Amino acid sequence: ILNVEQSPQSLHVQEGDSTNFTCSFPSSNFYALHWYRWETAKSPEALFVMTLNGDEKKKGRISATLNTKEGYSYLYIKGSQPEDSATYLCAPYNTDKLIFGTGTRLQVFP
Amino acid sequence: NAGVMQNPRHLVRRRGQEARLRCSPMKGHSHVYWYRQLPEEGLKFMVYLQKENIIDESGMPKERFSAEFPKEGPSILRIQQVVRGDSAAYFCASSSGRTSNQPQHFGDGTRLSIL
Repeated sequence: ILNVEQSPQSLHVQEGDSTNFTCSFPSSNFYALHWYRWETAKSPEALFVMTLNGDEKKKGRISATLNTKEGYSYLYIKGSQPEDSATYLCAPYNTDKLIFGTGTRLQVFP
Repeated sequence: NAGVMQNPRHLVRRRGQEARLRCSPMKGHSHVYWYRQLPEEGLKFMVYLQKENIIDESGMPKERFSAEFPKEGPSILRIQQVVRGDSAAYFCASSSGRTSNQPQHFGDGTRLSIL
């Protein structure tokens, strides 16, 4: 069973702060890592699909890096806004399926 | 804008009844995935289907649960003789190809409550 860990479990920051969180996964048999953003009462929304070691992806104020050799990915949010409040999920792809972590719940206070 | 459509949004069943959850993938998507979110837990993979084929059902409980994705019509997740422990949110996602490099697009889920 693939063990995916995300830390911290939850995070409270002030508007304007930059923040980051971690996704750890087994480095063997790596194919791809997905990041999703899940707002309360909505459906998970795809942020990034990362496949190469050293990959860095960016979407507005959100960026992510990938280290497949050591089995981790970081998600960064620059200048957090209240609308960034959501749960951020990472999911390695393994044999035709995504294995989701339990997520980091981010709350941004104005 | 035809995203992934799931219905019903909420479903209430009594113990022993059957529950049928439907999922229409995004237009042009032929890969469908079902996930379950139990209370206070994360998303857990259940089954992966392509049109008329079950590709991976390793996350499905061995009894009472079945899934199909017929040539025509939506994908159906069927739970027979429901029990209280089946109460959960069930999410469907679709993709245009195998998900190694394609994102999955999620529906809004069906919240199943068992009385």
